[in-house]
Amino acid sequence: QVQLQESGPGLVKPSQTLSLTCTVSGGSISSGGYYWSWIRQHPGKGLEWIGYIYYSGSTYYNPSLKSRVTISVDTSKNQFSLKLSSVTAADTAVYYCARADGYNSFDYWGQGTLVTVSS
Amino acid sequence: EIVLTQSPGTLSLSPGERATLSCRASQSVSSSYLAWYQQKPGQAPRLLIYGASSRATGIPDRFSGSGSGTDFTLTISRLEPEDFAVYYCQQYGSSAITFGQGTRLEIK
Repeated sequence: QVQLQESGPGLVKPSQTLSLTCTVSGGSISSGGYYWSWIRQHPGKGLEWIGYIYYSGSTYYNPSLKSRVTISVDTSKNQFSLKLSSVTAADTAVYYCARADGYNSFDYWGQGTLVTVSS
Repeated sequence: EIVLTQSPGTLSLSPGERATLSCRASQSVSSSYLAWYQQKPGQAPRLLIYGASSRATGIPDRFSGSGSGTDFTLTISRLEPEDFAVYYCQQYGSSAITFGQGTRLEIK
């Protein structure tokens, strides 16, 4: 059973960089066939795809966030990470990591972590 | 970017009734890349349907998906108490992924 777990600071100051890591267990990122993803949900709102990465390092980002987002992978630790720069209060959200399958649907999710942007 | 519009915004039904949720796309979506999710308060979304009509592992057969092109439907044949939640559709196209705004299914 694949499990994903987000970790990182729950509070980030405006203009700084939000950094989160997702640790995958029960399966290897290096085995291929899946895209490792970040999705966020503003409080009380819907879901927004941020981007994803393949084990090889190929990345795909939401065009609306592309200029501020970097997703990277560390196959040796079975982890992938999100960096979102120049954050504002509008980036306050629950951030989920998830696995996208060959149908580009998200079949496994982390439990989510709330990140608040505030001074 | 493909915009997904879900209707209705809120659906009020009773257990045992049939629920029909709609997802309309601003342009044609490949059926292979249309999915539905259920989300309960405080939980991550759960994949229900992928490829427009295939049930994900462990999903009861009262959930079914259909549609093609720009119009897709999620049907719950007989509502159970645990089915009251928010439902999202999601698509992949042109190297980007978007979600609908959600339909809240509430107990009448």
